[in-house]
Amino acid sequence: GAGVSQSPSNKVTEKGKDVELRCDPISGHTALYWYRQSLGQGLEFLIYFQGNSAPDKSGLPSDRFSAERTGGSVSTLTIQRTQQEDSAVYLCASSPQVGLEAFFGQGTRLTVV
Amino acid sequence: EDQVTQSPEALRLQEGESSSLNCSYTVSGLRGLFWYRQDPGKGPEFLFTLYSAGEEKEKERLKATLTKKESFLHITAPKPEDSATYLCAVQMNNNAGNMLTFGGGTRLMVKP
Repeated sequence: GAGVSQSPSNKVTEKGKDVELRCDPISGHTALYWYRQSLGQGLEFLIYFQGNSAPDKSGLPSDRFSAERTGGSVSTLTIQRTQQEDSAVYLCASSPQVGLEAFFGQGTRLTVV
Repeated sequence: EDQVTQSPEALRLQEGESSSLNCSYTVSGLRGLFWYRQDPGKGPEFLFTLYSAGEEKEKERLKATLTKKESFLHITAPKPEDSATYLCAVQMNNNAGNMLTFGGGTRLMVKP
């Protein structure tokens, strides 16, 4: 079966532009996570979706960041008015349910110039 | 504040030289501890889940163990292909949320 798929794999954008990053989780997985990994740094939690519950947005660094998950499947992370400090690898993961292992996609490398 | 600390930050081994990586945590109510391997330019690859103190999991040259305060990833007779960054993450069993909190990772280099 297919794993977690993220697109695009690479994105270069100009400062001030908006970007959308997409995540296709493993079919049937109810939990979905977004993380950010800056160069040489650890994984920083951004947002978590579980089924139809309200998402946990506690990790979003500013109101320029938002995410949605449509139909309990595909998720989109949107960054508005991008800044250079937003440059990082954005990772998505999905899990069958809370407490079980999460499987990661290959990430989207975002570069803001 | 819940914390996950991995040590050492970097580890250089000769092929065949066994060693252990440490992941210590200070969380209130552990739901699960997860080990991942991450190769450069790739997403983390799941290795093990541990749920309770005393539990052990094995896969090829890797064995993960768990106590109430820390987890170890033991690498027996490593090979160059084991070179990667190893990450541990914890999930809490409380109202703090269901996110995975990651440590900073251990960068392992195995020389032939």
